Amino acid sequence: GQNIDQPTEMTATEGAIVQINCTYQTSGFNGLFWYQQHAGEAPTFLSYNVLDGLEEKGRFSSFLSRSKGYSYLLLKELQMKDSASYLCAASDSNYQLIWGAGTKLIIKP
Amino acid sequence: GAVVSQHPSWVICKSGTSVKIECRSLDFQATTMFWYRQFPKQSLMLMATSNEGSKATYEQGVEKDKFLINHASLTLSTLTVTSAHPEDSSFYICSARDNGKEYEQYFGPGTRLTVT
Repeated sequence: GQNIDQPTEMTATEGAIVQINCTYQTSGFNGLFWYQQHAGEAPTFLSYNVLDGLEEKGRFSSFLSRSKGYSYLLLKELQMKDSASYLCAASDSNYQLIWGAGTKLIIKP
Repeated sequence: GAVVSQHPSWVICKSGTSVKIECRSLDFQATTMFWYRQFPKQSLMLMATSNEGSKATYEQGVEKDKFLINHASLTLSTLTVTSAHPEDSSFYICSARDNGKEYEQYFGPGTRLTVT
C-alpha cells in the first residue's frame, strides 16, 4: 500500500533550526512536496523534489533520497510565524498526491 | 500566477439543504482538479478527482450521490453537498493542477461549511 509517515508534533525555539522528516512508500514516484498550513487556512506550497539531493530556498531547504524513500524539510532561523503544520506529500505514478498527516510545529520564544 | 479561488469562503446552512462550492483557476487551465475535506486537527482527505468533461473519480467511502462534482470547463469545478447534515460540517479545499505543469497542485483558500 501507499503510506507517508511524519512526526505528529515538534517543538523548537525561535532562531533555531528544525528538521522535519518524512518517509514514504508509493506505487511509482513523481516527486515529493512540502506544504505549510496555518490553522484555518489552505496549504501553501513550499518545495518540490524529484531528484536526490538538497534544494535550498531561503530559510527553507528540502532534501530527498529516493533510494531510502526519505525526505526532510529544514527550517533555519525560526520565526514565530513559522508555527504551522507542515505536510509531506508524495506524487505517485498517476501524479496523485499521497498525503502525510502533517507535523505540527510549535515555536517557543 | 497560479491562483485558485473558492467561493464562498464560508457558509452556514440548515440540515437537509444543499450547498454549492465553486473552485476556479484564475490564470491557468486545469483539466484536473481535486476536492479535499479537512476536519479540525486532521490532515487533508482527498474526496474526489475532478476531470473536465468527464465523471469525477471518488475515493473509497465518499458518496458520489451526496457530493456532486461538476467540471464543465477548464477553469471551473463545483462541489455540491446535497441534503447536508451536521457531520458534513468541515473545511473543504480544492486544488487545481496546471495543465502545463504535471507535478504541482495549487490550492484554493478553502470553504468552511457549517451545517446547523
